[in-house]
Amino acid sequence: QLQLQESGPGLVRPSETLSLTCTVSGDSISTTSYYWGWVRQPPGTGLEWIGSIFYSGSPFYNPSLKSRVTISVDTSKNQFSLKVRSVTAADTTVYYCARHRNAGWFDTWGQGTLVTVSS
Amino acid sequence: QSVLTQPPSVSAAPGQRVTISCSGSSSNIGNNYVSWYQQLPGTAPELLIYENNKRPSGIPDRFSGSKSGTSGTLGITGLQTGDEADYYCGTWDSSLSAYVFGAGTKVTVL
Repeated sequence: QLQLQESGPGLVRPSETLSLTCTVSGDSISTTSYYWGWVRQPPGTGLEWIGSIFYSGSPFYNPSLKSRVTISVDTSKNQFSLKVRSVTAADTTVYYCARHRNAGWFDTWGQGTLVTVSS
Repeated sequence: QSVLTQPPSVSAAPGQRVTISCSGSSSNIGNNYVSWYQQLPGTAPELLIYENNKRPSGIPDRFSGSKSGTSGTLGITGLQTGDEADYYCGTWDSSLSAYVFGAGTKVTVL
C-alpha cells in the first residue's frame, strides 16, 4: 500500500529557507506515469499547488511560487523534497506531498505537516 | 481568488442528494479532466473522482462526477453524517500552466 510521509522543521525563521522531505513507501518513486507533487493549505483556507516532479528530475512549478521554490528527487532514498526560499508569514501553512498521477490528479496524499514561519 | 468557482456551502438532510458545481473556462475544465477531493476535518484531502467521472478503488458509488463544457459537478447520494467535509475540485489550467483547485465547498448534513 502506497504511503507518503512529510518530514522537516515545524518552525522556520522569516527570510530563511523552508525544507521538507517526502518519503515514499509501498512503491518505487521511479514508477513511470507518476509525478510527485507538493500542495499547501493555509489554516482554514483552500488548497494551492506548489509544484511537481517526474522521477527523472523534470520539475514544473506554480508560476506564482516559481521564483522561490525548488523540488528535487532522490530515487536512491525513494524521496522527493521541497525548498521554499525567503519565507514570510504567508508561507505558514500545512504542506502536503502527494502522488500526481499523469500530472492530472493527486491520488495519494501524505498526512501533511504544519510549518510556521516566525522569529 | 480561484479560477474555479465552487459554492461556499451546500446542505441537505441525511439520505438526500447534494450536488456541488465547479465552474471554470476553456483554459481549464473545458479542455482538461476534472478531479474531486474530500477533506474531512483535520485530515488530508482524499481523491474521490478523477478523469471527470471515475472513482478510485474503495470510493462508494454514492459519489459521482460529471462534466459538461466548462463545468464539473460532484454528486453525493444517500447523504450521511460522515460526509460532512470540505470538497474541492481541481484541474490543469493551460493558460496559467498550473494545477488549480476550487476554493472548496463545505457540505453540512442537517
